[in-house]
Amino acid sequence: DIRMTQSPSSLSASAGDRVTITCRASRSIDSSVNWFQQKAGKAPKLLVYAASTLQSGVPLRFSGSGSGTDFTLTITSLQPEDCATYYCQQSYWTPWTFGQGTKVEIK
Amino acid sequence: EVQLVESGGGLVKPGGSLRLSCAASGFTFSNAWMSWVRQAPGKGLEWVGHIKSNTDGGTKDYAAAVKGRFTISRDDSKNTLYLQMSSLKTDDTAVYYCTTDLAGFFYDSDNSRVMGGDYWGQGTLVTVSS
Repeated sequence: DIRMTQSPSSLSASAGDRVTITCRASRSIDSSVNWFQQKAGKAPKLLVYAASTLQSGVPLRFSGSGSGTDFTLTITSLQPEDCATYYCQQSYWTPWTFGQGTKVEIK
Repeated sequence: EVQLVESGGGLVKPGGSLRLSCAASGFTFSNAWMSWVRQAPGKGLEWVGHIKSNTDGGTKDYAAAVKGRFTISRDDSKNTLYLQMSSLKTDDTAVYYCTTDLAGFFYDSDNSRVMGGDYWGQGTLVTVSS
């Protein structure tokens, strides 16, 4: 199975800060990574697919990058509504696997 | 409006069985590969398995943790996805979500492209406890 190692597990930042979450795959997976946002008590929401393509309707402050084994989700200017847990997920080979999640809080 | 509505969750004893349903509307269900994803209380997301569209063979694949105990099926005439769970263990306690499969895309009836993982249900809680 492909293991997705996500870091950090949690972070606290101020509104307006730039936030970066990283995800490392245990083997090369091209650009086959999705990023999801999950708010408390809600279903996950697709933010980015194919590593860097922003899903329709997602604010432009979100961006994804990377290929091979190293991937990044960046929020350029953190907003209060971005408080959530973020997950990377590889879509290269089944079983689809997720990172452990990164909980983002506002200071 | 796209909707995925899960039902069938509840309390079941270890070793018991339960069938979850996911009723889909607002998109061309028959074109979609579908997945089940679960989330144990306070934990992360875990893929359970998926089923391809019947036009793509309808084949299924499962996570190792549930293989041989869980069965995914679909009824395109009812726009419904199912998850039959048997030999349940306490570790199966989780919120179970149905979702369009977490990879690729499919074309809706208006030729719009729907990305994998874009549609999710609200989840249904399964508690396995004696």
